Amino acid sequence: ETGVTQTPRHLVMGMTNKKSLKCEQHLGHNAMYWYKQSAKKPLELMFVYSLEERVENNSVPSRFSPECPNSSHLFLHLHTLQPEDSALYLCASSLTPGQGFVSPLHFGNGTRLTVT
Amino acid sequence: GENVEQHPSTLSVQEGDSAVIKCTYSDSASNYFPWYKQELGKGPQLIIDIRSNVGEKKDQRIAVTLNKTAKHFSLHITETQPEDSAVYFCAASTGANSKLTFGKGITLSVRP
Repeated sequence: ETGVTQTPRHLVMGMTNKKSLKCEQHLGHNAMYWYKQSAKKPLELMFVYSLEERVENNSVPSRFSPECPNSSHLFLHLHTLQPEDSALYLCASSLTPGQGFVSPLHFGNGTRLTVT
Repeated sequence: GENVEQHPSTLSVQEGDSAVIKCTYSDSASNYFPWYKQELGKGPQLIIDIRSNVGEKKDQRIAVTLNKTAKHFSLHITETQPEDSAVYFCAASTGANSKLTFGKGITLSVRP
């Protein structure tokens, strides 16, 4: 148990489908993140929420839509995805950093997404 | 922006031997350097981290060293065991917006 739970573990969807990924953290953290992990590439930061406000959106296409209803839950809504969006999507959480201070990230086990 | 590179991309060692994984970074303002281990089917797990005010940190069989002048840091694993086999990621951050820049990862294989 990592303290960060992601569902579903695996998802196969067609390009016209709409689906959502869910993340829940039980660590008392107040910052949450979505990362994309593709083979042979570094982890790509997609979105950052701190105290339920989106503080970073790394030029992610609008077919990915995040939602953070409270500090324990994070969603990633997916619609009209492309095959190249197939990847492992990782959620992470941390304490909100102070000025110039980085808090360690705690990752979930990810959702393996396949777009057909 | 920050650029983090890992060398080599794969590493194979005999059980009981030591393993060293190196990373270089480009931004001299980086002050936080974590290492993550990712096992098959799991997310990355933090195994050790170091901040720029120290040069070395150790936790049982794992240690990290930091050379700020050369802008590189290394993960050292002693007395390797088969369960150490995994992908290891290094990362660096300047502290701005808690943004971590990750390397591509190295696959460590420990031969029994």
